Parts: sequence; C-alpha cells; structure tokens
Amino acid sequence: DGGITQSPKYLFRKEGQNVTLSCEQNLNHDAMYWYRQDPGQGLRLIYYSQIVNDFQKGDIAEGYSVSREKKESFPLTVTSAQKNPTAFYLCASREAAGSYEQYFGPGTRLTVT
Amino acid sequence: KNEVEQSPQNLTAQEGEFITINCSYSVGISALHWLQQHPGGGIVSLFMLSSGKKKHGRLIATINIQEKHSSLHITASHPRDSAVYICAVTLFGGGATNKLIFGTGTLLAVQP
Repeated sequence: DGGITQSPKYLFRKEGQNVTLSCEQNLNHDAMYWYRQDPGQGLRLIYYSQIVNDFQKGDIAEGYSVSREKKESFPLTVTSAQKNPTAFYLCASREAAGSYEQYFGPGTRLTVT
Repeated sequence: KNEVEQSPQNLTAQEGEFITINCSYSVGISALHWLQQHPGGGIVSLFMLSSGKKKHGRLIATINIQEKHSSLHITASHPRDSAVYICAVTLFGGGATNKLIFGTGTLLAVQP
C-alpha cells in the first residue's frame, strides 16, 4: 500500500540532545513537508522540500534541520537549539506542482524532558 | 486574528444528529481542505474543494468563495465520527510551495 510512514510514534529525549524523526513515502511524490502541532494551535510549517537535494525554511524553522538525499525520505532533526521541542510532528507529501492535495503521515509525538 | 477560523471549537452531539462545522478565512485561496484527525494523531484528507459542494457518504462539504466561508456537514452522526476536524486553505499565488494555513480544529464527540 502506498503511504507515508513516520517512526517512531512516540519519542522521548533528554534536554540538550539532538533527535531525528523519520519520514518515508512510497507515493513517488515530489514535495514533502514537516509540520508541528501544539495544543490549541493550527499546524505550522517547519520545512518543505520540492525536490531532492533542495529544501526551504517554513514559518518556524529555527532549531530544526532537514535533509532530502532521496525522493522518498525527508528526515527532520530537532536540535538542542529548539527552545520548546515537545510537540506532535507531522510529515506530509504532495504529488507535483499544481496539485494542492497533501497526504499526511501518522505523526511522531516527541517529549523532551 | 487567525487567517483561518473554525467554529465551534468543541462540539458534543448525540448519535444520529446532523452536525455542522464552520470555517471562515480571510485570505485569497486556491483550495480549501477538510481534514480529520483521530485520537492517534494521524490526519486524513476528507475533502479538497475550490467551489460548490462535495459529498462522500455521510459527509458533505460546501464552500462560498464570495463569503470566504465553508461548512462541513455530517448526517446521521455516529460515535466513530468522533475526531478533530481541521479546516485548511492553500494560499492563492502561493507558488510552488502550495503552503497550507490551518485552523485550530473542531473537537467533535458523538455520544451513543
């Protein structure tokens, strides 16, 4: 079945540690996105990538980094510079330019203590 | 003021009731999306529309471009409809980003 997988579903880290969240898609989609969801707020865009080896900052990129070495993979690293890393992180993908529909993964809940 | 506003924030209904969730937006859009998020967290796209009305099973979505307003209706609601319903818009002229702007969601609980 085609879709987006994110692993793990729950992740716990100590403050000061970098952590990488996985996002893999087998939809052959060109564009991929990372969103952050906090209680009482709408999803906010962290980073997006339209093509392999290219990515752009979203609205809240500070403290995060990404890579896009393969079309199907778009990992997100939450660095120690991110002041409030505890959140729910969602990965999404979109087929191609001109297509508005985004497909979402199941999400990873990160807790940093 | 958020660019995408939803109402109500919370909604409790009895099984079988007709439910309406509203979404208003203040920006130019290319498309409007209704998404469903279950307690596990994953998000499913229900509808994407840019005009008129769409229907899928017991779900109906409408949009009025002039009034910048959309509604999601659920007929004959069922406890399995309990979820967070999120309205999102694709900005008009957003370029290749196709950036989505999200509402804060409506938490729906349907009681048996």
